Amino acid sequence: DTAVSQTPKYLVTQMGNDKSIKCEQNLGHDTMYWYKQDSKKFLKIMFSYNNKELIINETVPNRFSPKSPDKAHLNLHINSLELGDSAVYFCASSPRLSGGPREETQYFGPGTRLLVL
Amino acid sequence: KNEVEQSPQNLTAQEGEFITINCSYSVGISALHWLQQHPGGGIVSLFMLSSGKKKHGRLIATINIQEKHSSLHITASHPRDSAVYICAVRSTGTASKLTFGTGTRLQVTL
Repeated sequence: DTAVSQTPKYLVTQMGNDKSIKCEQNLGHDTMYWYKQDSKKFLKIMFSYNNKELIINETVPNRFSPKSPDKAHLNLHINSLELGDSAVYFCASSPRLSGGPREETQYFGPGTRLLVL
Repeated sequence: KNEVEQSPQNLTAQEGEFITINCSYSVGISALHWLQQHPGGGIVSLFMLSSGKKKHGRLIATINIQEKHSSLHITASHPRDSAVYICAVRSTGTASKLTFGTGTRLQVTL
């Protein structure tokens, strides 16, 4: 059974389009994340949500809008796609929000490879 | 300069060799993660540590908080260990944000 799933796995689209990537976790976790991995394989946090509440928005253009309808889902909507948005986007979840002495293991989805032409 | 630096960037080893991958960071941290990214792209968490040493099978992770340094060791390496190994740190005082290193690409040959 898939723990963290993302759809679609591949997404090819043209500049200017609007697209969404969906993420679902069946682990009962409270916290979910979106990461972007660029062409040099460098991972960077974009957003984190805890119990449907936005915790981190890490200098991401406002063309990117996360939406968490419930704590098992964190979707990423991207408006007016640009060439530089081409990357692999990973969703992840952890049981709870890490903080202070408490650190949580993160479970990653398989990634969505976005190519903007 | 990245807050998290890994070395080497690329590593080729023969099957059976002992492998060490290093991670240095420049900020105070509450925890450090080692992740493995398979050739197919999937990412798996290997270790999470804040002090000392952890072992899982042929993998060992150590951390020295004073020196701001961590190492990932693989004993008796095997071609299936070929992957990108990524170090990530959680800075103190920053909730839910991991900062990642650029990764070390390991290729283990027969």
